[in-house]
Amino acid sequence: QKEVEQNSGPLSVPEGAIASLNCTYSDRGSQSFFWYRQYSGKSPELIMSIYSNGDKEDGRFTAQLNKASQYVSLLIRDSQPSDSATYLCASVPLSGSARQLTFGSGTQLTVLP
Amino acid sequence: DVKVTQSSRYLVKRTGEKVFLECVQDMDHENMFWYRQDPGLGLRLIYFSYDVKMKEKGDIPEGYSVSREKKERFSLILESASTNQTSMYLCASSLETAGNQPQHFGDGTRLSIL
Repeated sequence: QKEVEQNSGPLSVPEGAIASLNCTYSDRGSQSFFWYRQYSGKSPELIMSIYSNGDKEDGRFTAQLNKASQYVSLLIRDSQPSDSATYLCASVPLSGSARQLTFGSGTQLTVLP
Repeated sequence: DVKVTQSSRYLVKRTGEKVFLECVQDMDHENMFWYRQDPGLGLRLIYFSYDVKMKEKGDIPEGYSVSREKKERFSLILESASTNQTSMYLCASSLETAGNQPQHFGDGTRLSIL
């Protein structure tokens, strides 16, 4: 059973809209969560980290964590065509090595001009 | 900013060759990782290292080996390259602090085995 699940998409939103990306995880002991953005043919780039319940905002990005429901989300406000990419959710699971990350398979986002 | 540098962006090798992929990080990170990424399969961990000369197998270590002789450098070795090892290879590093640290990736090496 995959430990981090994401809707693979593709998700399409019009320019200027809010894009909502969701991620659920199975390891209830997971403590740390990260969102990466990956453009086609490029490597993943860290865009957000979140460690505690609630919202964390950074510019147009907001990460939300709900440990009771075991989900993490990423909101992108005022979406731009340059936000079109695959977004990977990752967690540090309680089981196994704390050094490793468990990655979801990614959600492909397309922002339409 | 963290800088993870992979020696080649594109590499073409022949079946049976011994292939070396090099990765260097400049942030004194303890942990280093090698992944491969294939369409539809996501990121898969090959090996990782948490200290000099230390290594642990990831999910798909078969056909690969690694070397970490210095803290900043982590090498992935394909002992005898095969066509099913054609892939994007990604190196990453992270700081060793109670597992709360993200990984930072290099630009990747797109390896083709002919």
